[in-house]
Formats: sequence, C-alpha cells, structure tokens
Amino acid sequence: QVQLGESGGGVVQPGKSLRLSCEASGFIFSSYGMHWVREASGKGLQWVAYISDAGSGTKYADSVKGRFTISRDNSKNMLYLEMNSLRVDDSAVYYCVRQPDSGRTFDYWGQGTLVTVSS
Amino acid sequence: DIQMTQSPSSLSASAGDRVTITCRASETIRHYLNWYQQSPGKAPKLLIYSASSLHSGVPSRFSGGGYGTDFTLTISSLQPEDFATYYCQQTYTFPWTFGQGTKVDIK
Repeated sequence: QVQLGESGGGVVQPGKSLRLSCEASGFIFSSYGMHWVREASGKGLQWVAYISDAGSGTKYADSVKGRFTISRDNSKNMLYLEMNSLRVDDSAVYYCVRQPDSGRTFDYWGQGTLVTVSS
Repeated sequence: DIQMTQSPSSLSASAGDRVTITCRASETIRHYLNWYQQSPGKAPKLLIYSASSLHSGVPSRFSGGGYGTDFTLTISSLQPEDFATYYCQQTYTFPWTFGQGTKVDIK
C-alpha cells in the first residue's frame, strides 16, 4: 500500500535552516509528481511546493520562493524540502503529498512533521 | 491567486442529517475542484476530485457538484465518523489554493 513518511521536523530559531525528508513506498515513486503542503495551527491548509516526476520541474508558493527548495532522489524513493531563512510564520505541520498521474489532486498524504520556528 | 471561499465556516448537525457545504472560487476554475476531509490530529483525506468524481473507497453518501466558480459537497446521511473539517481546493492554476475549511460538529 502507498505510504509516505515525513521526518526532519523540530524546533529551530528564526533565520536558521531545516531539511525535511519524505520516504515513499508502495508505488513507483519516479512516476508521480509530489508536493509539500503545510498546516499552521488553526490556520488551514497551504500548498508549499511541487516537483515533477523526474524532478525537472518545480513550483513554489510566493511566501517560500527563494527560501525553500524542493528536490527528490528517485533512486532512494525520497522527497526533500530544504528550508532556509526560516520565519516564525513558517511554523506548521508539513505534509508530503502525492499527485496521481491521472489528475490534479492529492490522493495520498503522509502523517506530517511539525516545524516550530521560535527564538 | 485564486481565492476559495467556503460556507458555512462551521455547522452543527445530527447523525442522519443531510449536509451541504459550498465553495466559491474568485474566478473560473472549470472542474478543477477537490474536496478533502480532515479529522483532528490526522492528515487530510481525498473525498472528491474533479468536482464530482468519488475517490476510491469513499462512501457513496458523499457527492460533489458544480462547475466554473460554484461548487458543493453533500453528505446525504451524516455518520458519526463524518464529524470533521472539510476543505475545498482548486487545482486549475498554481498556486493551488484551499478554502478556509468547514468544521462539521455534533449538534
């Protein structure tokens, strides 16, 4: 079965960096576009970044553009989110999400990893 | 960015009730509208994609409709496990945006 497992969250000071990882299993990882979506406490869902199946195409929310970098290693079935210059308002649960090859939606979500940016 | 507005923001209902949630886009999104259900402390789950297609394994009491700017999610007979928060999402153009959520709780 499809499984997505995030890791790498934690408490970090403003201005610092953090790298999130997502391990995928149960499907052909290299055939699917992947996304990161975040949920700040009590704030609802926000799409963060997208990477194409081969990794050649990426898109970002304006709020993270230039600070966050999405990447993947298809040989390891791994998705990453490198987060630099972190701000307090980046604090959220970050979800790794799969986009099915047949459509524009999110069909499977990981359990999420919590990032807290605080001095 | 396309703004997605859900109504109501919250509602109280009883098991067995028919519930309808609406979602309005700030501009046309054709049929590129998805619905998700999120229970407390859990990741969201896909219910409906492309406005009206039921995701695999989702009970048939859930249905979606609409096109362009106005969309609905209907639960025909509310079950105890349906008390949760529901989000719409447009995937017509990046950035893909979500509505603010509709919390369905027990009356």
